[in-house]
Amino acid sequence: SQQGEEDPQALSIQEGENATMNCSYKTSINNLQWYRQNSGRGLVHLILIRSNEREKHSGRLRVTLDTSKKSSSLLITASRAADTASYFCAMATEGAQKLVFGQGTRLTINP
Amino acid sequence: DTEVTQTPKHLVMGMTNKKSLKCEQHMGHRAMYWYKQKAKKPPELMFVYSYEKLSINESVPSRFSPECPNSSLLNLHLHALQPEDSALYLCASSQFLLYEQYFGPGTRLTVT
Repeated sequence: SQQGEEDPQALSIQEGENATMNCSYKTSINNLQWYRQNSGRGLVHLILIRSNEREKHSGRLRVTLDTSKKSSSLLITASRAADTASYFCAMATEGAQKLVFGQGTRLTINP
Repeated sequence: DTEVTQTPKHLVMGMTNKKSLKCEQHMGHRAMYWYKQKAKKPPELMFVYSYEKLSINESVPSRFSPECPNSSLLNLHLHALQPEDSALYLCASSQFLLYEQYFGPGTRLTVT
């Protein structure tokens, strides 16, 4: 399957802790994107990292990309209750004209 | 304006009905997408339009018919749907293919 694998499938942590989600993929990519989805709503784009980049930051979010291992991680620091959501990685594979979404990680932040 | 709008928010239809979902963006994006999403699953790509032309059809049954009347609008015409088609239908747009996508809030479709 071209789909990415994400782990863990579900993650529950206390408010204030850091949350790390991982994404692995199988084919060469043009870029990799992370999205957040609150329950039953549309997805929100978080970060896009290109294949020649290794790390990107946006506020409390940090994304890394290791193309040799075909993997990426999303770190959310100092988590808040509002971070409770599903997080998806999406791969823009070389030669394709579409994103392929991973299975997602359901993150729960406990107050 | 960085918003993608979708109407209606909810839709209940019988298997013999014909209905349409609408999507609109005013960001000047040249790529637009339809996704189907089941509960606790990732979005599943259905169709991609690039410069108002159908670029990708992911082997979607013909009871789903997309239409792109102009660069800002995307429709999904529904006819003779099955109960298993009940899902959240998401529209998205991006400046070009493979760029970051902006999603609408979705239409929750129930087929009875």
